[in-house]
Amino acid sequence: EIVMTQSPATLSVSPGERATLSCRASQSVATNLAWYQQTPGQAPRLLIYGASTRATGIPVRFSGSGSGTEFTLTISSPQSEDFVVYYCQQYYDWLVTFGQGTKLEIK
Amino acid sequence: QVQLKESGPGLVKPSGTLSLTCAVSGAPINSGSWWSWVRQPPGKGLEWIGEIYHTGNTNFSPSLKGRVTLSVDKSKNHFSLRLNSATAADTAVYYCAKGRFPTNMWGRGTVVTVSS
Repeated sequence: EIVMTQSPATLSVSPGERATLSCRASQSVATNLAWYQQTPGQAPRLLIYGASTRATGIPVRFSGSGSGTEFTLTISSPQSEDFVVYYCQQYYDWLVTFGQGTKLEIK
Repeated sequence: QVQLKESGPGLVKPSGTLSLTCAVSGAPINSGSWWSWVRQPPGKGLEWIGEIYHTGNTNFSPSLKGRVTLSVDKSKNHFSLRLNSATAADTAVYYCAKGRFPTNMWGRGTVVTVSS
């Protein structure tokens, strides 16, 4: 099983300040990496797939980068609705696995 | 537009069987897609449970294999999850989803509590 580790568990930033979330895989997943956003009480929303491709309708302030084992989700200027939880997920292996999540909170 | 909706008992007794159905609208279940289940324990992260193709081919998480059964009912356009020998650790929000991951087509989720 590929273990996905996200850091930090909680990230505090001021509105408008760049937010950088990290995700590390226990082995290479190439660019088979997705990011999801989850608002309380709702299903996850796909933000990024292929490590860097924005899903349909996702604002340009969200960007993804990385390959192999190290990945980053950047929110260039977080809006109030962005202060929720983010998960990375690898789908390189048939056994897809998620990170434990990063909560983005207002500083 | 494809919509998915989970349904089933919200309360299951320990050692009992957790049974959920995901009703699919907007697409035939035999449309060449995989159909998946994911769960999320209270306050925790997401766990992939397994997936089923309309032909009946399945893949399961090793951590749940042996307890999980997935099935497809083409006549009702829905697919189902059964989890045997339920324990408190199976308490979670259960989501169904269309496709293999990554996917943006999820149900809204249903809460299942395992308790006596």
